[in-house]
Amino acid sequence: AQSVAQPEDQVNVAEGNPLTVKCTYSVSGNPYLFWYVQYPNRGLQFLLKYITGDNLVKGSYGFEAEFNKSQTSFHLKKPSALVSDSALYFCAVREVRAGNNRKLIWGLGTSLAVNP
Amino acid sequence: KAGVTQTPRYLIKTRGQQVTLSCSPISGHRSVSWYQQTPGQGLQFLFEYFSETQRNKGNFPGRFSGRQFSNSRSEMNVSTLELGDSALYLCASSEGGTSGTYNEQFFGPGTRLTVL
Repeated sequence: AQSVAQPEDQVNVAEGNPLTVKCTYSVSGNPYLFWYVQYPNRGLQFLLKYITGDNLVKGSYGFEAEFNKSQTSFHLKKPSALVSDSALYFCAVREVRAGNNRKLIWGLGTSLAVNP
Repeated sequence: KAGVTQTPRYLIKTRGQQVTLSCSPISGHRSVSWYQQTPGQGLQFLFEYFSETQRNKGNFPGRFSGRQFSNSRSEMNVSTLELGDSALYLCASSEGGTSGTYNEQFFGPGTRLTVL
């Protein structure tokens, strides 16, 4: 079955330090991968996506993610964390199959806490 | 462009009642997806509508239904409410169509449903 895993329920990092939020996926074929962020009491916001091309994708708010096909991973990174980055982060992958009605498969989310 | 709007933002119902939630997508977006978000289960996909047709469906009982109108606005209905239906219901829109599989989704703020 096609799936997405976010192995860490929570990540803690000190402000100014680099952060990584991990995501691994299991789909056959070429994946379309997404990261979203949810700030407290708000809807989800799109951060970045990988469709094809350069394995390093840059997105909003200084975030970037690296697609690694051999490790089937798409980890989210930021060189220097801010307290305001504290939020819930979701990784998602588009189903790989024929047709246009391919739904997104979501990870369970990782809560990021950036400590001052 | 205005973002995705959802009404109402908060609802309190009792078991056995039914409820209708509304979602207005971003202008020009023809795909609308609905999700249920709970603390323990993450984001659960309910269904997706595209050009007034249900294009995808998650694993929810028949008490959960939806529809989409010609102006792309969408409603979801939950009949015979149960305590376990208490959740944040999120609506997301995207451009859809043949390129829809790699377009990101734009989320509304959600409707917080509490079932007593």
